[in-house]
Amino acid sequence: QSVLTQSPSVSAAPGQKVTISCSGSSSNIGNNYVSWYQQLPGTAPKLLIYDNNKRPSGIPDRFSGSKSGTSATLGITGLQTGDEADYYCGTWDGSLSAGVFGGGTKLTVL
Amino acid sequence: QVQLVQSGAEVKKPGASVKVSCKASGYTFTSYDFNWVRQATGQGLEWMGWMNPNNGNTGYAQKFQGRVTMTRNTSISTAYMEVSSLRSEDTAVYYCARGRLGGLDPWGQGTLVTVSS
Repeated sequence: QSVLTQSPSVSAAPGQKVTISCSGSSSNIGNNYVSWYQQLPGTAPKLLIYDNNKRPSGIPDRFSGSKSGTSATLGITGLQTGDEADYYCGTWDGSLSAGVFGGGTKLTVL
Repeated sequence: QVQLVQSGAEVKKPGASVKVSCKASGYTFTSYDFNWVRQATGQGLEWMGWMNPNNGNTGYAQKFQGRVTMTRNTSISTAYMEVSSLRSEDTAVYYCARGRLGGLDPWGQGTLVTVSS
């Protein structure tokens, strides 16, 4: 049971848009920045979004992030088959004094 | 380029210890925290703890307190994570990752630790 809650899976057609949600509480998302990670099959996770909505250099603007209250959302537009991966949200939890992740969302591009 | 290269796969018996290394290159080793995250097969990411390589300060998830130790050798730009009293549930891929930009970036390639009798 992860501290942050994500839907297990989402799917969409190539070229479409998808959103992945991440729900938490005031001790984590509500008072800390959220980051998002992409994990392609058989590889290490990769930072996609940091500080709720910023993209590291090299990450295309098809990826976007937002936060409202105790929830965060990752958006991906212009879906490509290469976007098929597991996506994780992460943040700090002040009550636990620990980093926390969501359980991950598996994106399928049909 | 910034890179974290981890040590190779390990097979350990229950009750043993394992020490995983993470060698950093391409940046000043002492400038950014290290985090360790593990992932059991088919499961999600689990945060284990962090270490400040400048002063050696650490913070561990409660679940791992007393069983995990994070250290570093600044002369060779390498961070270490040791897990003791291994049990089968510790079988997982262990990742090191640099704390930067309010996130973890980059990540090492991962080290598979298998605990089996």
